[in-house]
Amino acid sequence: AQSVTQLDSQVPVFEEAPVELRCNYSSSVSVYLFWYVQYPNQGLQLLLKYLSGSTLVKGINGFEAEFNKSQTSFHLRKPSVHISDTAEYFCATTNTGNQFYFGTGTSLTVIP
Amino acid sequence: EAGVAQSPRYKIIEKRQSVAFWCNPISGHATLYWYQQILGQGPKLLIQFQNNGVVDDSQLPKDRFSAERLKGVDSTLKIQPAKLEDSAVYLCASSLRAGTSISEQYFGPGTRLTVT
Repeated sequence: AQSVTQLDSQVPVFEEAPVELRCNYSSSVSVYLFWYVQYPNQGLQLLLKYLSGSTLVKGINGFEAEFNKSQTSFHLRKPSVHISDTAEYFCATTNTGNQFYFGTGTSLTVIP
Repeated sequence: EAGVAQSPRYKIIEKRQSVAFWCNPISGHATLYWYQQILGQGPKLLIQFQNNGVVDDSQLPKDRFSAERLKGVDSTLKIQPAKLEDSAVYLCASSLRAGTSISEQYFGPGTRLTVT
């Protein structure tokens, strides 16, 4: 069965510092991976997705993620965070495009 | 382009009462999803429609939850009767299509339900 595990429930980081949010997936078949961001009292917004091709995926707001098949990981990174990046981040996966499985989320807090 | 619209944004009801949520997807999107997001957890799919047909409702508690998508556009999710554990944010999402391709899902702002 498809699933993703987000290893950190909360990540505090100082402004302008780099950040990595970790996501590991489990799947025995083709896998498609996504990162979503959720700001307070809002719905989820797609940051980036990996469907195929280059393992380094660039998304919006300066975020990027690297698909690592050998480590079954899809970690999200940003070289320098801003206060406005404070939000909840969700990793998700699907193998068919029908059933999406979301992780439990990582709360990123950027400290001034 | 208008996004996914949901109403109401907030709802407080007592247990055993009924409640309904409404979703209007992005125009032209054939696929519509309802998710339940309990505090501290990721969204969990309740039901997925392709046009006005149900694709997946395996995680919908059918004894109390129901959903419909008349005419393949707007959708309504109903809970009757509500339980305390139904307190959550109910998210609606839509995508161009699913199944044969991986389409991005666009989410609405959600309806926060509190059952007292």
